[in-house]
Amino acid sequence: NAGVTQTPKFQVLKTGQSMTLQCAQDMNHEYMSWYRQDPGMGLRLIHYSVGAGITDQGEVPNGYNVSRSTTEDFPLRLLSAAPSQTSVYFCASTSIGYGYTFGSGTRLTVV
Amino acid sequence: AQSVSQHNHHVILSEAASLELGCNYSYGGTVNLFWYVQYPGQHLQLLLKYFSGDPLVKGIKGFEAEFIKSKFSFNLRKPSVQWSDTAEYFCAVNARNTDKLIFGTGTRLQVFP
Repeated sequence: NAGVTQTPKFQVLKTGQSMTLQCAQDMNHEYMSWYRQDPGMGLRLIHYSVGAGITDQGEVPNGYNVSRSTTEDFPLRLLSAAPSQTSVYFCASTSIGYGYTFGSGTRLTVV
Repeated sequence: AQSVSQHNHHVILSEAASLELGCNYSYGGTVNLFWYVQYPGQHLQLLLKYFSGDPLVKGIKGFEAEFIKSKFSFNLRKPSVQWSDTAEYFCAVNARNTDKLIFGTGTRLQVFP
């Protein structure tokens, strides 16, 4: 049982480049979320999904897109990376009655 | 909108000292409450959670938290900390009628031997 798997673990992008952060869970959880963690700001919700085909915006959605074509996968897309998106990104999933399970994170640097 | 406040940004303790980290939330409805811990270089791990029932919740590693509805608080406690408790602690709230988990800004705990 792998839990929540995030790839890649590290990434360096140039300003303007695009990329997709992958997130997969094997627990059949309905809810999946993406957060970014920045020093002194805790974790801020970017986007979340309550099930396949359904996504919604969190606190800081600008510059990011998501889709949820399957229950297992919830990729986060940066269309045109900016230095302000340098952060550590965490994916999380949960099901009703359980705590959230977090992935190991992706450390992204935009230069 | 729901929000979470953690007033202690950085706490420094000696081993065996008692710990209490404050967490207050703002939301008028029913909530689920969580404490997560993040050890250096690692991802978040669930310490404990409150959904309903007994407001005193016991978690892993000797931690506990008390939900006081009238104060909108969910403070984390441990009677005697260890050096291995050095980590960052996050309080989080999930309103029952939404699926969003909102975090506080975190409290960095340093425990010295």
